[in-house]
Amino acid sequence: ETAVFQTPNYHVTQVGNEVSFNCKQTLGHDTMYWYKQDSKKLLKIMFSYNNKQLIVNETVPRRFSPQSSDKAHLNLRIKSVEPEDSAVYLCASSSRRDSAETLYFGSGTRLTVL
Amino acid sequence: GEQVEQRPPHLSVREGDSAVITCTYTDPNSYYFFWYKQEPGASLQLLMKVFSSTEINEGQGFTVLLNKKDKRLSLNLTAAHPGDSAAYFCAVSSHTGYQNFYFGKGTSLTVIP
Repeated sequence: ETAVFQTPNYHVTQVGNEVSFNCKQTLGHDTMYWYKQDSKKLLKIMFSYNNKQLIVNETVPRRFSPQSSDKAHLNLRIKSVEPEDSAVYLCASSSRRDSAETLYFGSGTRLTVL
Repeated sequence: GEQVEQRPPHLSVREGDSAVITCTYTDPNSYYFFWYKQEPGASLQLLMKVFSSTEINEGQGFTVLLNKKDKRLSLNLTAAHPGDSAAYFCAVSSHTGYQNFYFGKGTSLTVIP
């Protein structure tokens, strides 16, 4: 049962454009994440966010920024895309209040930068 | 911070054979451990989670063994079938640092009919 919803599923754009990806979770979790999965399937954490604190992986370029309106939503904006941004972007959520914190993933957004 | 090493990166077995994927980690304070399955073109789905000490969990055709003494986590598919062909990722949960979840680099499993 899907509980972390991502849109769009695919996005093709050109270098320099701005893109924005949406993520919503209906699990009542307090923490959301964005991961980048490259062509070799390596997972890289980009952001971790709960309603109190945004934690940024310092290796993430500044053109990436998370945007949250409430704890159920965490969008990702890329201000000016570059070819190396082509990847699958996975949104996830978890609950730090739970004793058995588990990460649940959305279906992903595949970005292709031409 | 935590470092998770997963092996092998690629694994090919025949239908009916067993397959073993292993992860080792470094942080002795890690306490939750997960296996995720990612089918081609799909997202990561939780396969199983295990907690603390030495534990064996069994699911549908697979066994997960956690050995905290050796800081080792393994996934054993007992009789692989083509539907098991996917990428498998281990993940370790640690509340040291911001990341919380540390992933292995994945194992691409191919089951040959």
